[in-house]
Amino acid sequence: GENVEQHPSTLSVQEGDSAVIKCTYSDSASNYFPWYKQELGKRPQLIIDIRSNVGEKKDQRIAVTLNKTAKHFSLHITETQPEDSAVYFCAASSYGGSQGNLIFGKGTKLSVKP
Amino acid sequence: ETGVTQTPRHLVMGMTNKKSLKCEQHLGHNAMYWYKQSAKKPLELMFVYSLEERVENNSVPSRFSPECPNSSHLFLHLHTLQPEDSALYLCASSQGPGYEQYFGPGTRLTVT
Repeated sequence: GENVEQHPSTLSVQEGDSAVIKCTYSDSASNYFPWYKQELGKRPQLIIDIRSNVGEKKDQRIAVTLNKTAKHFSLHITETQPEDSAVYFCAASSYGGSQGNLIFGKGTKLSVKP
Repeated sequence: ETGVTQTPRHLVMGMTNKKSLKCEQHLGHNAMYWYKQSAKKPLELMFVYSLEERVENNSVPSRFSPECPNSSHLFLHLHTLQPEDSALYLCASSQGPGYEQYFGPGTRLTVT
């Protein structure tokens, strides 16, 4: 089955700096890669996702890149702000069919210092 | 946010109690999920239901028993739990496997 590794487990940056979180996956059939943000005491919420037919997707200060050959994808946050502090989870799955459940990484705790 | 709701939000139970967690989704989704979130395993998939049929059970102990009476409701029945079962239990729903999952606020369970 799918296995997702996420690094680093904790990340501390100064406000205004960039943050990068990296994930690798094992199943070459995976074709859907979402990122979730979970603030303290709140539910995980989708912030961006990418499907295997594209290599990069951007949404304002957030971007995700995908390298299907190397089986890794990354989250990039630019101009970080204190409200970006949260735990970020990557996930992978193949959409369609009963094998398409999301497999999550172990999370990265991001701290943005003002 | 009312897309996916969970009750109760907090639950304290003894090891001999029987309780149930409830999840309801108002998004017209066909798949529903139970996750356990703890410090050791941040998002651990427990059960998956697609079109009201259970499609996956990730080797969860029998003291956890899911029920999906229709596509909008999902229950997790609990009995004779252990202290290590204390965790946040999250429900989620999606259009189907492999699509965005929408999470509920979770039930914080403490087993004493």
